Amino acid sequence: AQSVTQLDSQVPVFEEAPVELRCNYSSSVSVYLFWYVQYPNQGLQLLLKYLSGSTLVESINGFEAEFNKSQTSFHLRKPSVHISDTAEYFCAVDAGGTSYGKLTFGQGTILTVHP
Amino acid sequence: NAGVTQTPKFRVLKTGQSMTLLCAQDMNHEYMYWYRQDPGMGLRLIHYSVGEGTTAKGEVPDGYNVSRLKKQNFLLGLESAAPSQTSVYFCASSATNEQFFGPGTRLTVL
Repeated sequence: AQSVTQLDSQVPVFEEAPVELRCNYSSSVSVYLFWYVQYPNQGLQLLLKYLSGSTLVESINGFEAEFNKSQTSFHLRKPSVHISDTAEYFCAVDAGGTSYGKLTFGQGTILTVHP
Repeated sequence: NAGVTQTPKFRVLKTGQSMTLLCAQDMNHEYMYWYRQDPGMGLRLIHYSVGEGTTAKGEVPDGYNVSRLKKQNFLLGLESAAPSQTSVYFCASSATNEQFFGPGTRLTVL
């Protein structure tokens, strides 16, 4: 069975500081990897995804994540955060094949950006 | 497009009562999912459907039933609610590998 581990449950940072949210997964097959963001009292929104090709993927609001197959990681980074980035972030894995479309989520990381 | 909608938004039940949560999507997606979200546990898949008339069990199916009689709707039922089913329930749909989520239903079972 797949598992996804988000290594930090809470990450407090100051505005304009860099941030890294860590995600490791366990899977012996090719995977698709995702980061979703959840703002307070809302559903989840896709932030970025890795399906194939370049191991570095970017979102439209400045986040990026790098797929590292050897370390089975997909860490999320942003060089300078804003107050509006305060949210909960979820890493997710889709193992494809017979489980196509089914996601396994990590426990979530609450990012709090302080002024 | 409304995307994925869920009704109701909030509900309080007593132990043993039953209820149905409705999910509707207007994107013509084949796949639909029901998750529950609990603090510190992320989202866990309850049931899912790969097309009209089909359903399958996810990670935590016990105590829940589902039906997909129409492609655009996916119903989640609780036959006899228990306090352990207090949670936030999310529905999602997808055509490929990106899932689109509804706003959630907050359910409290007393």
